Amino acid sequence: GIQVEQSPPDLILQEGANSTLRCNFSDSVNNLQWFHQNPWGQLINLFYIPSGTKQNGRLSATTVATERYSLLYISSSQTTDSGVYFCAVRQETSGSRLTFGEGTQLTVNP
Amino acid sequence: DTAVSQTPKYLVTQMGNDKSIKCEQNLGHDTMYWYKQDSKKFLKIMFSYNNKELIINETVPNRFSPKSPDKAHLNLHINSLELGDSAVYFCASSQGLAGFWTQYFGPGTRLLVL
Repeated sequence: GIQVEQSPPDLILQEGANSTLRCNFSDSVNNLQWFHQNPWGQLINLFYIPSGTKQNGRLSATTVATERYSLLYISSSQTTDSGVYFCAVRQETSGSRLTFGEGTQLTVNP
Repeated sequence: DTAVSQTPKYLVTQMGNDKSIKCEQNLGHDTMYWYKQDSKKFLKIMFSYNNKELIINETVPNRFSPKSPDKAHLNLHINSLELGDSAVYFCASSQGLAGFWTQYFGPGTRLLVL
């Protein structure tokens, strides 16, 4: 099956800093989503981005499908950004299942 | 209004018991899923239903049985619970089958087997 690798596994920032999270995947995909799992455990959709670039406030994401990676940018980080960020992909041959990476644990300190 | 809801949110039970988790979505989606998140936060799909038909059935013990009475509901029944079943179970839904759609997740059910 497809392999999804996220880096870094852990990231600690001071409030106001910028960061880039990376997701590499081993095969062609036609669905890529970024999620934020907040400290209460809820999974929140951030982006549906199988290709191209999208922005939503302080967050933006870019997927380069031909090179099999996606980046999530967080600017001017806030303590409420803390949590785990997951990348999930759907391999073209895998039906509707999403395969998740292991996540990046982000801690933003005040 | 909650888009994908699950009940209960917390479930503490003894080994050997049988329990059910319910999921409902009010998004009008055709496809629903169950995922398991283990203690290391790793998320893995268990089942998927499209229009009440089972379409994904990962390697899951047959003690786990999903049931979809209609498109808006997907329940998970677990027989003879074991310690290793302790995890967070997430329900999700998406508009279509082909995977080109955003999946929306419920709040999770935290299951603890003692």
